[in-house]
Amino acid sequence: GQQLNQSPQSMFIQEGEDVSMNCTSSSIFNTWLWYKQDPGEGPVLLIALYKAGELTSNGRLTAQFGITRKDSFLNISASIPSDVGIYFCAALNYGGSQGNLIFGKGTKLSVKP
Amino acid sequence: DVKVTQSSRYLVKRTGEKVFLECVQDMDHENMFWYRQDPGLGLRLIYFSYDVKMKEKGDIPEGYSVSREKKERFSLILESASTNQTSMYLCASSPGRGGLYGYTFGSGTRLTVV
Repeated sequence: GQQLNQSPQSMFIQEGEDVSMNCTSSSIFNTWLWYKQDPGEGPVLLIALYKAGELTSNGRLTAQFGITRKDSFLNISASIPSDVGIYFCAALNYGGSQGNLIFGKGTKLSVKP
Repeated sequence: DVKVTQSSRYLVKRTGEKVFLECVQDMDHENMFWYRQDPGLGLRLIYFSYDVKMKEKGDIPEGYSVSREKKERFSLILESASTNQTSMYLCASSPGRGGLYGYTFGSGTRLTVV
């Protein structure tokens, strides 16, 4: 079946650092989404991307829909402590028939000790 | 503010008990989903429903069943709880067909089976 490979699995951030993570697949998708899950809460939608090459920002977050339609990237600039949590990518092929989102396994952001 | 509400944040149940996890959404969404989340395994789809009284198996339905008698409510049932069902359970909903606009998730129920 279709799979999303999300990396890195985990990373430590120091306040002020920029953070990058990505999601890749061998399949083509026409929708990419990025979610954040705070500890003890459900995931919340951050950014949705609908066109290959699209670059979308939400505050300090910027996400890109890869030109091959097989990948997506999320960058966080000038990280702050409340950025910690788990970030999930999700993708969908929406072509008139029903399709469920496919999720990556997540990237866990923690603060450097 | 639109919401998906899960009835319990934390539950502790005994092995063999029948367990009901309730989920209610106030957005008039057609689609509802149940996931379980375990460290290193991400979100795994248990069951989903596109309409009232309709249900479909996800990737890991064994040991679970669901009920959707009303559009706004989707219940997950553990017929006979086992320790390997200790997990975080997340309910989600979405409008229309597919996840084009993403899912709205509840806050989760952390279930411990002892």
